[in-house]
Amino acid sequence: EDQVTQSPEALRLQEGESSSLNCSYTVSGLRGLFWYRQDPGKGPEFLFTLYSAGEEKEKERLKATLTKKESFLHITAPKPEDSATYLCAVQTGGGADGLTFGKGTHLIIQP
Amino acid sequence: DVKVTQSSRYLVKRTGEKVFLECVQDMDHENMFWYRQDPGLGLRLIYFSYDVKMKEKGDIPEGYSVSREKKERFSLILESASTNQTSMYLCASSLFGLYGQYFGPGTRLTVL
Repeated sequence: EDQVTQSPEALRLQEGESSSLNCSYTVSGLRGLFWYRQDPGKGPEFLFTLYSAGEEKEKERLKATLTKKESFLHITAPKPEDSATYLCAVQTGGGADGLTFGKGTHLIIQP
Repeated sequence: DVKVTQSSRYLVKRTGEKVFLECVQDMDHENMFWYRQDPGLGLRLIYFSYDVKMKEKGDIPEGYSVSREKKERFSLILESASTNQTSMYLCASSLFGLYGQYFGPGTRLTVL
């Protein structure tokens, strides 16, 4: 059974204090790893897809990296508007299979 | 931009009622999905569809059915709602299998 574990469950940072969120996975054949941002009461917002170990993607203050066992979401000099829950998900099927999600990291950036 | 819309943001139903949740996407995506999200359990896949009239069970299909008569529309049906189906329901679509899934705003369903 595919498993996705995110850590920490919650993280409180000061504005400008960089950090990383972790997503470790145990799957039988990773096809893609996805990062989402979710604000309270809203649907997840797609951020990145990573397909192979060594791959990196960036968007504004966020950078996602992938190894064979885990992915990191690095947040550089965060701002209060980066506060959200960040979700990691994996896809192991090649077709239209759904995603297996981790439980998320709740990130709070204090001014 | 991809837009996925869901018919209701909030819904309150009684135990035993038949409930329809509708989802529409406007980007001609092949694949559509229904998830539910619960505190402490995260998002879990209920059903998905990779083509019109095609459907596949996800991880927790019991008590649910789906319908996809048109490419842009995917419906989730609770045949006889129960209190343990109180949850946030999220619809998503994707162009093809390994492309990112785009989510709607969600429907918060309460079953009394």
